[in-house]
Amino acid sequence: DIVMTQSPDSLAVSLGERATINCKSSQSVLYSSNNMDYLAWYQQKPGQPPKLLISWASTRESGVPDRFIGSGSGTDFTLTVTTLQAEDVAVYYCQQYLITPPTFGPGTKVDIK
Amino acid sequence: EVQLVDSGGDLVRPGGSLRLSCAASGFTFSNYWMNWVRQPPGKGLEWVASINQDGSEAVYGDFVKGRFTISRDNARNSVHLQMNGLRVDDTAVFFCARRGLDPSRDWTLLPFDSWGQGTLVTVSS
Repeated sequence: DIVMTQSPDSLAVSLGERATINCKSSQSVLYSSNNMDYLAWYQQKPGQPPKLLISWASTRESGVPDRFIGSGSGTDFTLTVTTLQAEDVAVYYCQQYLITPPTFGPGTKVDIK
Repeated sequence: EVQLVDSGGDLVRPGGSLRLSCAASGFTFSNYWMNWVRQPPGKGLEWVASINQDGSEAVYGDFVKGRFTISRDNARNSVHLQMNGLRVDDTAVFFCARRGLDPSRDWTLLPFDSWGQGTLVTVSS
């Protein structure tokens, strides 16, 4: 199985400031045949199911604000929220979907400072 | 609008059984792999099981160990998870989720792009 890790476990950021979450996979999720990274990011607010924000490491889903930016390749990835809004308070998970089983990182909790 | 409605969660004794259901609407159900993902209280997400579009292929997490069975009814746009031999550490919110296929990338299975609201399974004596 591919093991996903995230850092930090939690962070508190002032409104309007930048939040950065890191994700690392135990093996590359870059598929050489198409040069795509099989890495997704989800946002989960309290009492709600996860919401898919980003796929292919950097492609935002329809309707996701452009302050959410995914980057990275291979084994190291980053989710950046460029200007944190109150509604961005949530737990963020990365997930690889290159191989079965699909595996999630442990999550990073983002709060307002 | 895509909608997934999970149901069937309950309090059950260790060793007991439970059948979860997910009713889908707003999309062509038979085009998607359907899945169950669980989340223990206060913890992270764990994939449980997947079933392909026509129900001919099912895949499970190692921890299932033959205890759970995923099935689907394309005529009724529903997917089910039959859980037997439940253990205390199966306590979790169970989410139904769909995964599409990308024809432009060798029919790759995509991420979980729609989720049900979840149904709580509590295993306790």
